[in-house]
Order: sequence, then C-alpha cells, then structure tokens
Amino acid sequence: DTEVTQTPKHLVMGMTNKKSLKCEQHMGHRAMYWYKQKAKKPPELMFVYSYEKLSINESVPSRFSPECPNSSLLNLHLHALQPEDSALYLCASSLGLQETQYFGPGTRLLVL
Amino acid sequence: QKEVEQDPGPLSVPEGAIVSLNCTYSNSAFQYFMWYRQYSRKGPELLMYTYSSGNKEDGRFTAQVDKSSKYISLFIRDSQPSDSATYLCAIIRGAGGTSYGKLTFGQGTILTVHP
Repeated sequence: DTEVTQTPKHLVMGMTNKKSLKCEQHMGHRAMYWYKQKAKKPPELMFVYSYEKLSINESVPSRFSPECPNSSLLNLHLHALQPEDSALYLCASSLGLQETQYFGPGTRLLVL
Repeated sequence: QKEVEQDPGPLSVPEGAIVSLNCTYSNSAFQYFMWYRQYSRKGPELLMYTYSSGNKEDGRFTAQVDKSSKYISLFIRDSQPSDSATYLCAIIRGAGGTSYGKLTFGQGTILTVHP
C-alpha cells in the first residue's frame, strides 16, 4: 500500500481564520514533506521532516506552521493567510530522504 | 538557469503514438531520477524511479538516464487517451549538503493523447 491520505480535500478560509491540514501515512516512512502547488506550476517544497524533526524549511512565512506529532502524522497549521496563499497543498512521504516520494491527493485551499 | 529544465509543451499526439518527454539538469550532484504523472486537480503519481544511467522499462513506459549528458527521458509506447496528463521529471541530490532529500522538479509537460 503506497497511500498517503490528506484531509480535508477542500478548504475555504478567511484571512483571519485558523485552520489545519492533516496528512497521514502508514507505510513506515520516516520522512514527510509539505509542498505548495499553484496552477500550471510544479510543486514547491515548503517543509521536510525526517524522523519527526524538521530538517528543511524553505523560508516559508510564519503564517504556515508545520507539526509532526508522530511518525505517521504531519499537520500544517494555517493562520492569517493571504489570498495569494490559495493553492493545492500536497503532502508526501518517503522511506528516507533519498528515497522515492509518494504524494497524497492534496488539499485545495482558497483564501478569501 | 533553472537546475532542471523541461519543455512545458503542450504536446498533442494521436492515440497509439510513441511519446518522448525530456529533461536536462545542470548539477552533477543529482543522483536519483523520477517521473511523475499528474492528472488535473490530483496529486502527482510516481511512474518511474532510477538512479543509474541506462534504461528502465515498466510496461508501456521506459525511463532513460544519461548522466554524462545530464539528460533524462520518458518514453510512452502505444499512448492512450488516459495518458493525457502533466508529466513531471524530478531529481534528488546525493547525500550531504543542506538540500539533502530535496526533490527538484522540472516545469512539467502537458500531454494530450487524442483518439
């Protein structure tokens, strides 16, 4: 099973809201990732967790706050977002940092 | 210059055609090569993964890597309308450095296979 699940599928939020995106995998992978993808562009890396520790933060604004509560779960907490943050947010996982990454279906976020 | 260059297309072919998708890269530290397929409004789906020069075949798909030329290709034989999607090449650096584990994508090629 190479499934990464993400909830919710769609999210609409105002600029003052606080919301969270959730990602889960049960493949025993020890690396997990958040990507942001705008229309007709490739995914852009936001954060990398390895063994539940943040190993890469691609200079993402602090209104995005990642959390890795355990080896199967990855959250992305959102606060005070801007309309330009509207995008598809993808979670991925891999056995290790040089291994194949498997992507979830994404959460489509709209910020009004 | 982007680290990974991929012609965005769009590419339109008739059903049954052989499709060739290509990427070039600039950094010899890149060691692991992947192709993903992404349907509209879905997450990327892994098609092929390789780390050595040469060819790797899986059904109708063949991935080719030429490390000396820094050139990777994906061939799709007997293309089907269901192959219509965006194809992304993706490359990972080898061990070491602050970018360890970072996946670098090409821009993606939009492919349409018409019946």
